[in-house]
Amino acid sequence: QLQLRESGPGLVKPSETLSLICSVSGGSVNMSSHYWGWIRQPPEKGLEWIGNIYHSGSTFYNPSLKSRLAMSIQKSKNEISLTLSSGTVADTAVYYCVRGLVGYRDFESWGQGARVTVSS
Amino acid sequence: QSVLTQPPSASETPGQRVTISCSGARSNIGSNIVNWYQQLPGTAPKLLIYSNNQRLSGVPDRFSGSKSGTSASLAITGLQSEDEATYYCATRDDRLNAWVFGGGTKLTVL
Repeated sequence: QLQLRESGPGLVKPSETLSLICSVSGGSVNMSSHYWGWIRQPPEKGLEWIGNIYHSGSTFYNPSLKSRLAMSIQKSKNEISLTLSSGTVADTAVYYCVRGLVGYRDFESWGQGARVTVSS
Repeated sequence: QSVLTQPPSASETPGQRVTISCSGARSNIGSNIVNWYQQLPGTAPKLLIYSNNQRLSGVPDRFSGSKSGTSASLAITGLQSEDEATYYCATRDDRLNAWVFGGGTKLTVL
């Protein structure tokens, strides 16, 4: 049974970098059939796609976040990481780690989410 | 303002049928498959319908999806109280080069 677990600081100061880890169990991040990604949800708002990363390490980012965003894959740890620099209040959200089946089922599995607040 | 337009709310009584619409453009719904996600209160979203009309394993056949042109819809028949949730449509947008979501429709079972 695939499990995705997000972790990271729950509070980040404005202008600082937001960093999250997605720990994967019950599946491998090194499968070419799947991709991994992040989606966020600000309080009381809808969903926003952040970006995807593939087993090769290639990435596909939301153009609106691209200049501040970096995603990586750590195969030895079976983890995915997200860093978002120059945090602002607008980055306050629940961040979900997701897995998709390439070309077939987008965002088919979701983690429980990690709440991040950007505040001084 | 979401790229995909959904009604913010919908309501119906138990046992009835409800349809949730998702309106887009040629660059998104008109060119790509649509997925539907269900978010129960206080939980993470989960995939319900993929590739326009395919139910994920375990999803009751009361749920169905369809797509025509630049619009898609999710239909739920035989409404049950546990269907009370927020439903999101999503697809790729070729012009924006991004995945996009609708604003979500909060379904209330009266």
